[in-house]
Amino acid sequence: DAKTTQPTSMDCAEGRAANLPCNHSTISGNEYVYWYRQIHSQGPQYIIHGLKNNETNEMASLIITEDRKSSTLILPHATLRDTAVYYCIVRVRAAGNKLTFGGGTRVLVKP
Amino acid sequence: DAGVIQSPRHEVTEMGQEVTLRCKPISGHNSLFWYRQTMMRGLELLIYFNNNVPIDDSGMPEDRFSAKMPNASFSTLKIQPSEPRDSAVYFCASSQSGGLGTEAFFGQGTRLTVV
Repeated sequence: DAKTTQPTSMDCAEGRAANLPCNHSTISGNEYVYWYRQIHSQGPQYIIHGLKNNETNEMASLIITEDRKSSTLILPHATLRDTAVYYCIVRVRAAGNKLTFGGGTRVLVKP
Repeated sequence: DAGVIQSPRHEVTEMGQEVTLRCKPISGHNSLFWYRQTMMRGLELLIYFNNNVPIDDSGMPEDRFSAKMPNASFSTLKIQPSEPRDSAVYFCASSQSGGLGTEAFFGQGTRLTVV
């Protein structure tokens, strides 16, 4: 699976959009971009995934650049409960394929 | 569905004792993953199963660690003998491996302290 690079930490204001970048310059054609988050003392939680088109669900939006070498996770209206470590993962979307976590971005939402 | 269920939630044991961690995956999911999380090393994949068969155990740190999945609804991770450096939070996750598969769902973890 391709390696990803994320900022170690970032702050954002409550109620504002939080934009979390991820670089994956070695991504291959059949690899998807996944985002998970881990709130303190809990197990990681799936947020969203995409291949090349932008994706949106009730939690977030995922913007993938045209060359697919980077992406941005957008939390449209950050709340204090969005404070967590966010992981960007690139993997082949195959049945039962493993999920490998990097360091992630520690996001602190401030009032 | 109750999600992935892990037990116990907390375990404190003495060095040298055997420790068994348990996991019940989500019904219908046939991929199961064991992870370990520490401050120093982050989230590490220890082993994963597809259809009850171990696929990749390269993350298992040493022979003291073993994992089994006797059926589709139960898995164990055993440490024997335990050492203080095994202290960590251990997570179990499951996913559905049909077609392209689905995202993984994680349990709440077992916090293990070896003294």
